[in-house]
Amino acid sequence: GAVVSQHPSWVICKSGTSVKIECRSLDFQATTMFWYRQFPKQSLMLMATSNEGSKATYEQGVEKDKFLINHASLTLSTLTVTSAHPEDSSFYICSARTGDAIIEQFFGPGTRLTVL
Amino acid sequence: GQNIDQPTEMTATEGAIVQINCTYQTSGFNGLFWYQQHAGEAPTFLSYNVLDGLEEKGRFSSFLSRSKGYSYLLLKELQMKDSASYLCAVNDYKLSFGAGTTVTVRA
Repeated sequence: GAVVSQHPSWVICKSGTSVKIECRSLDFQATTMFWYRQFPKQSLMLMATSNEGSKATYEQGVEKDKFLINHASLTLSTLTVTSAHPEDSSFYICSARTGDAIIEQFFGPGTRLTVL
Repeated sequence: GQNIDQPTEMTATEGAIVQINCTYQTSGFNGLFWYQQHAGEAPTFLSYNVLDGLEEKGRFSSFLSRSKGYSYLLLKELQMKDSASYLCAVNDYKLSFGAGTTVTVRA
């Protein structure tokens, strides 16, 4: 149980285009989902916290107009990188947590984004 | 703010023991996680400590001292597949990660 999927697993796009990444909890309802970004040889940096049915809470320094997060259902959250630039190239990872278990987060496999 | 420190790299031989230390200064605390991450993959859960003391799980053990803001992850009987990055993360409703310790296991 507690499986989280991400789609796509990797994507290459041109500078200036937008890319959407999906995060799904496959066998549980995720009241809260988190989006992280990880640059090579660095740790995970939390970008935003997403609660179902409400606006995402962004961490300091993360542009909410550039990284659009939608958590429309208890099993799906999406991250859209708008007007992508090469510096947005990174490994994006989502995690999900149920309302009952406030402790453990279940991580998705990650999405490798490369912006040319 | 959150400040979580762990060594950058460690090297050990197969069959040996390695201890990865983590010190933290955070505004809140609701437990500490250790994760293993292989390159290009998502983190996988190893252990969770919320009370002081040692938690043992097979070859992996984790220790916590809340008064000292200190934890360690102990890896015993090292195997080549244990070569990975090990992340210390403090939980305060959301997770704050350390930079990770890259462990290289040599034959």
